[in-house]
Amino acid sequence: AQKVTQAQTEISVVEKEDVTLDCVYETRDTTYYLFWYKQPPSGELVFLIRRNSFDEQNEISGRYSWNFQKSTSSFNFTITASQVVDSAVYFCAGGGGSQGNLIFGKGTKLSVKP
Amino acid sequence: GAVVSQHPSWVICKSGTSVKIECRSLDFQATTMFWYRQFPKQSLMLMATSNEGSKATYEQGVEKDKFLINHASLTLSTLTVTSAHPEDSSFYICSARDVLAGTADTQYFGPGTRLTVL
Repeated sequence: AQKVTQAQTEISVVEKEDVTLDCVYETRDTTYYLFWYKQPPSGELVFLIRRNSFDEQNEISGRYSWNFQKSTSSFNFTITASQVVDSAVYFCAGGGGSQGNLIFGKGTKLSVKP
Repeated sequence: GAVVSQHPSWVICKSGTSVKIECRSLDFQATTMFWYRQFPKQSLMLMATSNEGSKATYEQGVEKDKFLINHASLTLSTLTVTSAHPEDSSFYICSARDVLAGTADTQYFGPGTRLTVL
């Protein structure tokens, strides 16, 4: 069975601090996809990144960066120089492929204070 | 690109009535759409997978006769909550996959529909 673990329920930082959100994805599949989504207070899920299990290269997009390590099943997300607008619930999800089913973690609520 | 809309964005209804929620992919074709439910401060729980032109596949514990799903076209799926009760009050979110894109495994989400049953 697949399982997504986001151990951090809530994180609070002060603006401009760096913050890392943890995610561990457990599956028996050898091919899978991992995702991060942002859910601001408005409720709409915003797609941030997709990573397939064969690609362990780190990725950077502006202030966002992702580190995938297949050996530890971790797909961590770092926000550099956090801003108040980054405050949201962040969900890690795994699965995808031909079926398309995604399993979501419980989410990490990030609060960035001015 | 990859925009998904939902209508209505919120609805309040009386117990016992039925409510229909629409999910549309605006700029792409979606042979597969997904319906999720999210209770306050909780994660998304997959309710069913909707395939165009065929019956939906429901997750364990989801009543197919209560949550009717129709996916009649490549851009539209509907979820009807029949005989709604207060415990059905939740945030319902749909997602769609752009099967023609190189990222067919990526789900794009609608803005959600907040259902309140009185």
